Amino acid sequence: SQTIHQWPATLVQPVGSPLSLECTVEGTSNPNLYWYRQAAGRGLQLLFYSVGIGQISSEVPQNLSASRPQDRQFILSSKKLLLSDSGFYLCAWSAPPGGLNYGYTFGSGTRLTVV
Amino acid sequence: AQSVTQLGSHVSVSEGALVLLRCNYSSSVPPYLFWYVQYPNQGLQLLLKYTSAATLVKGINGFEAEFKKSETSFHLTKPSAHMSDAAEYFCAVTLYNQGGKLIFGQGTELSVKP
Repeated sequence: SQTIHQWPATLVQPVGSPLSLECTVEGTSNPNLYWYRQAAGRGLQLLFYSVGIGQISSEVPQNLSASRPQDRQFILSSKKLLLSDSGFYLCAWSAPPGGLNYGYTFGSGTRLTVV
Repeated sequence: AQSVTQLGSHVSVSEGALVLLRCNYSSSVPPYLFWYVQYPNQGLQLLLKYTSAATLVKGINGFEAEFKKSETSFHLTKPSAHMSDAAEYFCAVTLYNQGGKLIFGQGTELSVKP
């Protein structure tokens, strides 16, 4: 069966420090991968998505970047964190669109607090 | 571009009452539609999804939703609310021809009164 792993679960980082959040998927190949952010009391905003190794699409300009060095690995990074980067970050995967079994599976999330 | 609108950021019902959470979408092509639930400090759990099969979709925990193309709606219902249903609910849409990006509504917080 397919599983998605996201870590760490919580993170407290000072302003100006770097960030690296990792997400890996098991039990499938060539998944579509996504990073979402949920700011406190707000909805989920799509940050990045990837349909293959090295293929990254950014949805909003921001202080973050994403990379996909391997088929089932998706990394969210920042060189210098801002206070506004605080939030709940969720990784997700899906099969390519189509079919009745099409859907998305989310990781358990990383709660990032920038202080 | 597609979008999702959830009417009402907060909905409060009494235990045992009908739950109705509204979701409207805009899309020029047939969409895939999803409802997710989020409990405090947790990730997202899929309640149900519409993928162009039956228009009335049954999900987990007694929830169901009906896809109405003429109204561009996908409202979530449950006949009788339970205290454990208190959570944040998100409607989301994706399009087959846009790489599978899942776009979320702003969410509706459901409170259940005893």
